Amino acid sequence: GQSLEQPSEVTAVEGAIVQINCTYQTSGFYGLSWYQQHDGGAPTFLSYNALDGLEETGRFSSFLSRSDSYGYLLLQELQMKDSASYFCAVESGANNLFFGTGTRLTVIP
Amino acid sequence: NAGVTQTPKFQVLKTGQSMTLQCAQDMNHEYMSWYRQDPGMGLRLIHYSVGAGITDQGEVPNGYNVSRSTTEDFPLRLLSAAPSQTSVYFCASSYELASRYEQYFGPGTRLTVT
Repeated sequence: GQSLEQPSEVTAVEGAIVQINCTYQTSGFYGLSWYQQHDGGAPTFLSYNALDGLEETGRFSSFLSRSDSYGYLLLQELQMKDSASYFCAVESGANNLFFGTGTRLTVIP
Repeated sequence: NAGVTQTPKFQVLKTGQSMTLQCAQDMNHEYMSWYRQDPGMGLRLIHYSVGAGITDQGEVPNGYNVSRSTTEDFPLRLLSAAPSQTSVYFCASSYELASRYEQYFGPGTRLTVT
């Protein structure tokens, strides 16, 4: 089977840096992706990691360690609009995409 | 491009009723999928399709049917609604159903079964 673990909630101050962790257990691993979802909205794609290391896209970076079955999303220079839920997702086997239960990020002034 | 569209946005059903949730995409994606999202449960895959005429079950398929007669459309049918199917339903499309390819999600259908 598959399982993904994320913290349920994180609070951070505007302008700061926050890291959202994701650990996974899966039979067969192809990559880890991250999605953002604002309240009442649809998930939107943020990033994807297939290989170990850090991928940077503007203020957002994502890291993967395949040997540790672990990844994280790093958000820098936090803005109020970054308040949302963040989901990690893994592909396990053909045509199977599993999402974590999400981390609700609250950015405070 | 409209992207992925879903109708209706909201729906209330009585237990035992049936209905079809509509999903369409104009990006010529082969892969389409349906997810349900419940509080604290994340997104769970119901059914998916790898192309017209080809569908398969995901993680939680019971109580739902799908068909894919065209590349653009992927409707989800609730056969006999139950309160446990109260959820938000998202349709998604992508080049492939794989984490390396961006999933484009529709705006969702909020379904309540009483």
